[in-house]
Amino acid sequence: GDSVTQMEGPVTLSEEAFLTINCTYTATGYPSLFWYVQYPGEGLQLLLKATKADDKGSNKGFEATYRKETTSFHLEKGSVQVSDSAVYFCALSGGSGYSTLTFGKGTMLLVSP
Amino acid sequence: GAVVSQHPSWVICKSGTSVKIECRSLDFQATTMFWYRQFPKQSLMLMATSNEGSKATYEQGVEKDKFLINHASLTLSTLTVTSAHPEDSSFYICSARTGGGTDTQYFGPGTRLTVL
Repeated sequence: GDSVTQMEGPVTLSEEAFLTINCTYTATGYPSLFWYVQYPGEGLQLLLKATKADDKGSNKGFEATYRKETTSFHLEKGSVQVSDSAVYFCALSGGSGYSTLTFGKGTMLLVSP
Repeated sequence: GAVVSQHPSWVICKSGTSVKIECRSLDFQATTMFWYRQFPKQSLMLMATSNEGSKATYEQGVEKDKFLINHASLTLSTLTVTSAHPEDSSFYICSARTGGGTDTQYFGPGTRLTVL
């Protein structure tokens, strides 16, 4: 079945540092890939997505590129802020289009001033 | 756009009572809604998928008689936790998906249930 593997956290960074959160996946077909962010005590917010190979999703300074050859969708940001502290979930949705989301376990990011 | 609300945001109830949680898509019609459960510091566990006007599809291990799901309209789904017990205490999150071939889900803010 489909699966998503994320790097374990917490990831602790100083403000303005470069962020990478690794995500790799296993899936049949041609899945869509997502990054969701969850702030403390809140639900998930869609951060960015990519629907086909070589697509780059970007939002709020975050970006991730759909790499089919390495089955990866790593999240990056050039300069993190304290307000970016949250849990980040990588997820995929199967290639059929109408399927459920498979989530990674989440990676907590802590950014200090 | 694509806003999903949940009500209530938190609820405390006594063991043995039932609790209803509402999930609404505010600015779009949701042909499919999903209910997740999230334990502290863990990922989301899909409980069930509901399509408007039909019975929900439950994931393996989820008791359909305990977690009643109704998707009566294109903008409303409800989850009722029947005869709640302390082990049902959790964070319940719904999401909604539009039709038209998109596979993006939009999530509600979640409901914190505490059963005493």
